[in-house]
Amino acid sequence: DVKVTQSSRYLVKRTGEKVFLECVQDMDHENMFWYRQDPGLGLRLIYFSYDVKMKEKGDIPEGYSVSREKKERFSLILESASTNQTSMYLCASTPRGGTDTQYFGPGTRLTVL
Amino acid sequence: DAKTTQPPSMDCAEGRAANLPCNHSTISGNEYVYWYRQIHSQGPQYIIHGLKNNETNEMASLIITEDRKSSTLILPHATLRDTAVYYCIPGAGSYQLTFGKGTKLSVIP
Repeated sequence: DVKVTQSSRYLVKRTGEKVFLECVQDMDHENMFWYRQDPGLGLRLIYFSYDVKMKEKGDIPEGYSVSREKKERFSLILESASTNQTSMYLCASTPRGGTDTQYFGPGTRLTVL
Repeated sequence: DAKTTQPPSMDCAEGRAANLPCNHSTISGNEYVYWYRQIHSQGPQYIIHGLKNNETNEMASLIITEDRKSSTLILPHATLRDTAVYYCIPGAGSYQLTFGKGTKLSVIP
């Protein structure tokens, strides 16, 4: 079974802090994604990566950056956390080949005070 | 992009079949229909997908109408663990999945 893990299930940070969210997948997938999920807004794509060191902006990249130094690991960085970044963050992966079968991690619920 | 319409909520008795409908009348010819579900406080889980033909796997069956304007996800013997929000999503391999509001399925003992 594909396994996607995220570094924390719950995280509390203060406004202005730099926040790192890490995601690791164990199935050698080329593509990895970061989403945020908010009530009433559904899942929104922040960034995705289709290969090591490659990244593409999603629908809401402002305030976020990403890093993919190794194939299995995709990090989401909040350079200076703000209260409007309080959300559930979900990581997903999928193999190359035009499939939309995405495998999701358990999510990180981030609260910014 | 194709839009989907799903009922906001449904109830199903434990052990009975749960039939979840989805209308996707504007789906394009190369778009598959994907179904995901999300159990409370967990990440979404892929269930099944199809293009034209009916599909079955260990989790569910997917029935797609001949005109491809609608589909039905069938959970043959619903259990309490199937209580979740179910999403019907058209996808064409562009990695741009759009999760709408889905159907909240409650399985009742």
